[in-house]
Amino acid sequence: DQQVKQNSPSLSVQEGRISILNCDYTNSMFDYFLWYKKYPAEGPTFLISISSIKDKNEDGRFTVFLNKSAKHLSLHIVPSQPGDSAVYFCAASAWGGSEKLVFGKGTKLTVNP
Amino acid sequence: DAEITQSPRHKITETGRQVTLACHQTWNHNNMFWYRQDLGHGLRLIHYSYGVQDTNKGEVSDGYSVSRSNTEDLPLTLESAASSQTSVYFCASSESLESYEQYFGPGTRLTVT
Repeated sequence: DQQVKQNSPSLSVQEGRISILNCDYTNSMFDYFLWYKKYPAEGPTFLISISSIKDKNEDGRFTVFLNKSAKHLSLHIVPSQPGDSAVYFCAASAWGGSEKLVFGKGTKLTVNP
Repeated sequence: DAEITQSPRHKITETGRQVTLACHQTWNHNNMFWYRQDLGHGLRLIHYSYGVQDTNKGEVSDGYSVSRSNTEDLPLTLESAASSQTSVYFCASSESLESYEQYFGPGTRLTVT
């Protein structure tokens, strides 16, 4: 059973517009969430995270929103740039879960110039 | 600069052979992880370690083993390679038991023929 779901395999947006990537989870024990970005032939790199005690976290052009009641989080990229084109993975961890991360399947974002 | 490296970057082997993938980190992190990435599955945890002499099974550990004889290295061994183990393998590390952010290596693409 997939505990972290990214239901959109791909997303295409125009440069300068907002990109919204979504993630749903089923395990109510998850209390920390992360987004990773991955370029082809490279390892994933950490992008931004959020604790369950918050509902929003910003870092420059990137904002993550958490809706605990809906078990849903989203990553907003504003404005989107061609260099943002990559696969984005949502990941979650449970307190006391020994820092193991459970990853979604990823969403491939393409930002068109 | 501290880093995490994997070798080889590409490997082709035959069914039934034993294969070892190397992972080396210079951050002095206690936690190390091995994942495999497959199309349609995202990143799945194979094995992980919280320190020297500590190893634990992840979600997809069958057919794999790890050993941790020092802080810097966590080699992954495929005891008898199978075609189902054709994948991209990523090693990651994190600082402590309260750190969720993991740093990933560049990956090893393994093909089992």
